[in-house]
Amino acid sequence: GENVEQHPSTLSVQEGDSAVIKCTYSDSASNYFPWYKQELGKGPQLIIDIRSNVGEKKDQRIAVTLNKTAKHFSLHITETQPEDSAVYFCAASLMNSGYSTLTFGKGTMLLVSP
Amino acid sequence: DVKVTQSSRYLVKRTGEKVFLECVQDMDHENMFWYRQDPGLGLRLIYFSYDVKMKEKGDIPEGYSVSREKKERFSLILESASTNQTSMYLCASRAPGGTLQPQHFGDGTRLSIL
Repeated sequence: GENVEQHPSTLSVQEGDSAVIKCTYSDSASNYFPWYKQELGKGPQLIIDIRSNVGEKKDQRIAVTLNKTAKHFSLHITETQPEDSAVYFCAASLMNSGYSTLTFGKGTMLLVSP
Repeated sequence: DVKVTQSSRYLVKRTGEKVFLECVQDMDHENMFWYRQDPGLGLRLIYFSYDVKMKEKGDIPEGYSVSREKKERFSLILESASTNQTSMYLCASRAPGGTLQPQHFGDGTRLSIL
């Protein structure tokens, strides 16, 4: 089955800095890679995703890049703000099957200091 | 907005008890999921259901069962609770269409088994 590795496990940055979280996956058939953000006391929420036919996707201050050859994808957050502090999970799956499930990484706790 | 409601935020039970965790969603989603979240281990899938009365084992089903008698409700059952089942449990629902549809999570039930 799929295995997703996520690094780092914790990341501390100053407000205004950039943050990068990296994930690798094992199953070359995986073609859909979402990122979820979990704020304290809440359930995870989808923030951005990327499909395997795209190398990069941006949404305001967040972007995701995908390197299919290396089986590697990353989340980039620019101009970090204290409200970006949360746990971030990457995931991988097959997007075409109605019965597919997500395999999540172990999560990264991002702390943004004012 | 999709709302996924987990019946309890905190629950304390004793070893050997039969424990029921309840989850209700209000968007008529066909797919529902139960995860457990542990520090350093991320989100691990216990069971999922693609429709009423349907269930599929996830990655860590041992010691758990599920029930889905109505579309909006998905219950996780610990047949005989053990201390190693102390964890945060997250329920999620998803519209039809496979993994391209986002999973909507509840805010979790923190279960302690004494």
